[in-house]
Amino acid sequence: AQSVTQLGSHVSVSEGALVLLRCNYSSSVPPYLFWYVQYPNQGLQLLLKYTTGATLVKGINGFEAEFKKSETSFHLTKPSAHMSDAAEYFCAVSGMDSSYKLIFGSGTRLLVRP
Amino acid sequence: ETGVTQTPRHLVMGMTNKKSLKCEQHLGHNAMYWYKQSAKKPLELMFVYNFKEQTENNSVPSRFSPECPNSSHLFLHLHTLQPEDSALYLCASSQDLPTGGIEKLFFGSGTQLSVL
Repeated sequence: AQSVTQLGSHVSVSEGALVLLRCNYSSSVPPYLFWYVQYPNQGLQLLLKYTTGATLVKGINGFEAEFKKSETSFHLTKPSAHMSDAAEYFCAVSGMDSSYKLIFGSGTRLLVRP
Repeated sequence: ETGVTQTPRHLVMGMTNKKSLKCEQHLGHNAMYWYKQSAKKPLELMFVYNFKEQTENNSVPSRFSPECPNSSHLFLHLHTLQPEDSALYLCASSQDLPTGGIEKLFFGSGTQLSVL
């Protein structure tokens, strides 16, 4: 069984500040981990993913995430927030034993203040 | 443009109506999905089709009826819905990894459904 917990339904940062969105997962098998972003009135787009190999994963728009097995975490970061980063972010987990199930977290809405 | 197209974008229906949501993918993927997105709740997986065969039905009420005539098209037929069924319905597609598991989902923009 797999699950995802995203801490904080809303995160507010100033433009230019560090963005940190937290995600913890639970998985009985080696996980595949994902971050998706949803802009208003749109579907979800993949930001980045971890399957195997390097634990620091770089994605689009300057985002990156680090897989920490010991902490069961996959937090999303960006050094400097831009106004266009305001959106809802979803962490998700899948695994080799659940081919068609991608389990999503509740989402974190990122607000960027000018 | 993600290669997954959903119509209509918005739908308002009464509880006695029958309507259908349509999804089409142009990516050559073998799997298609319906997700329900409600306010303040995680995305809920409703149905999964792999090569036109339904492989997942996540205890969805029978008032939602999926149809997958081919690997590029997916429908969600709606009848006698309830106001609590109002939500954004998202279609997605994916291609199997040789090692198992999903590499990534490609989502459509969704149909915003309001049931009055």
